[in-house]
Amino acid sequence: GENVEQHPSTLSVQEGDSAVIKCTYSDSASNYFPWYKQELGKRPQLIIDIRSNVGEKKDQRIAVTLNKTAKHFSLHITETQPEDSAVYFCAATGANSKLTFGKGITLSVRP
Amino acid sequence: NAGVMQNPRHLVRRRGQEARLRCSPMKGHSHVYWYRQLPEEGLKFMVYLQKENIIDESGMPKERFSAEFPKEGPSILRIQQVVRGDSAAYFCASSRGLALNTGELFFGEGSRLTVL
Repeated sequence: GENVEQHPSTLSVQEGDSAVIKCTYSDSASNYFPWYKQELGKRPQLIIDIRSNVGEKKDQRIAVTLNKTAKHFSLHITETQPEDSAVYFCAATGANSKLTFGKGITLSVRP
Repeated sequence: NAGVMQNPRHLVRRRGQEARLRCSPMKGHSHVYWYRQLPEEGLKFMVYLQKENIIDESGMPKERFSAEFPKEGPSILRIQQVVRGDSAAYFCASSRGLALNTGELFFGEGSRLTVL
C-alpha cells in the first residue's frame, strides 16, 4: 500500500519568511495529493491539492509542487503569519481512493 | 449545509465497555471514511464505506472494531471491550464521490474517546 512520509516533524520560521514542507510517497499509481491544515483541537481542513497531471498549483500565499518522477511533493507558504501556525498533513491517494496521510509537521510562526 | 456531524464529541469509557461513535456525512455525500489520530501523530486510515457496503477496511484492527453505514442513518464505528490503547480522536470524513475523482474529503470535528 501507499506510504507517505513527512520531514521534518517540526518547523519554526520568523513571521514574514517562507516555509517549505516536503513529503514523499511510495505508490507510483497515486495521482491525487492534498494538503490539510489542523489547528489545535480542530478538524483537518483542506488548504490546497494537486493532481498528477499538473506540476504546480498556487492559491494566494500557498503553492504546491509535484515531482512524479521523484515521488515527492511540497507545500510552500510565503509571507508567513502567526495564524499559519498549525499542523500540516500531506496525503496521497491512488486507484483505491483511500487517502493515506503523512504524520504531520508542526509549523510555528514566530511573531 | 451542516457539514460532517460527529457525536459524541467526547466519550469516556471504562475498560471492557463498548464505545459507539456516530457520523452523519454532508448532505449528498455517500462515501464515508474513518480515521484515528493519536496524540501528536498523524491520521491513520481505518475504514472506507459507501451506503451499506464496506469498501476497504484494511486499517481496522481485526478484533473488537467494526463499522457500518446503513441505508438510513449515520455511519457507526463500534469498539467493543475497549482498552486504554483505544484512547484517541476518531475522525470521520465524507466525500461526494471517490476522493480520487471528486477531490476534497470533508472532516468532522472528531470524537475523543478516553478509556479509564
